[in-house]
Amino acid sequence: AQSVTQLDSQVPVFEEAPVELRCNYSSSVSVYLFWYVQYPNQGLQLLLKYLSGSTLVKGINGFEAEFNKSQTSFHLRKPSVHISDTAEYFCAVSYTNTGNQFYFGTGTSLTVIP
Amino acid sequence: GAGVSQSPSNKVTEKGKDVELRCDPISGHTALYWYRQSLGQGLEFLIYFQGNSAPDKSGLPSDRFSAERTGGSVSTLTIQRTQQEDSAVYLCASSLVPTEAFFGQGTRLTVV
Repeated sequence: AQSVTQLDSQVPVFEEAPVELRCNYSSSVSVYLFWYVQYPNQGLQLLLKYLSGSTLVKGINGFEAEFNKSQTSFHLRKPSVHISDTAEYFCAVSYTNTGNQFYFGTGTSLTVIP
Repeated sequence: GAGVSQSPSNKVTEKGKDVELRCDPISGHTALYWYRQSLGQGLEFLIYFQGNSAPDKSGLPSDRFSAERTGGSVSTLTIQRTQQEDSAVYLCASSLVPTEAFFGQGTRLTVV
């Protein structure tokens, strides 16, 4: 079965500290990988995506993620977080053999502490 | 339109009433998705439409939930005989290709 696992449901981190949000997926075929961010009382917006090519992907707001095929992971990182990064973060995957279907993880709530 | 539009943005209904939630996807997008997000929970997949294919209804939680997509564009999610546990934010998304899904702002449903 296709699935996405976000191992951490809540991540508190101090302002200006680095953060890593973990994401693993199940697949034996080609995938597209995504991170979405949801700020309080808003919809989801795309943070970054991996389609092909370089395994290190840079997104908005200083976030980046690295695709690791051998570990089936797509962890999200930021070297120095800001208060404004407090939000819910969702990892998602679409499989190239299942049409347009997107599978989402359960989300990680990032709280940046002043 | 420029983005995915959902209406209403907020809906308060009495237990036992039926509700309809509307999603207007980005023009030309062939795929449309409905998700439910309960308080403090992740995204729960409800239903997926892809072109003229039969929809994937595997995520609908009960037979009180149904959805249709008319003319390959606008979609309506209907919840019959609403219950308090149906209270959640209902999110719609659309995509043309499996390289990005675009989300609406959601409909916050409160059943009292």
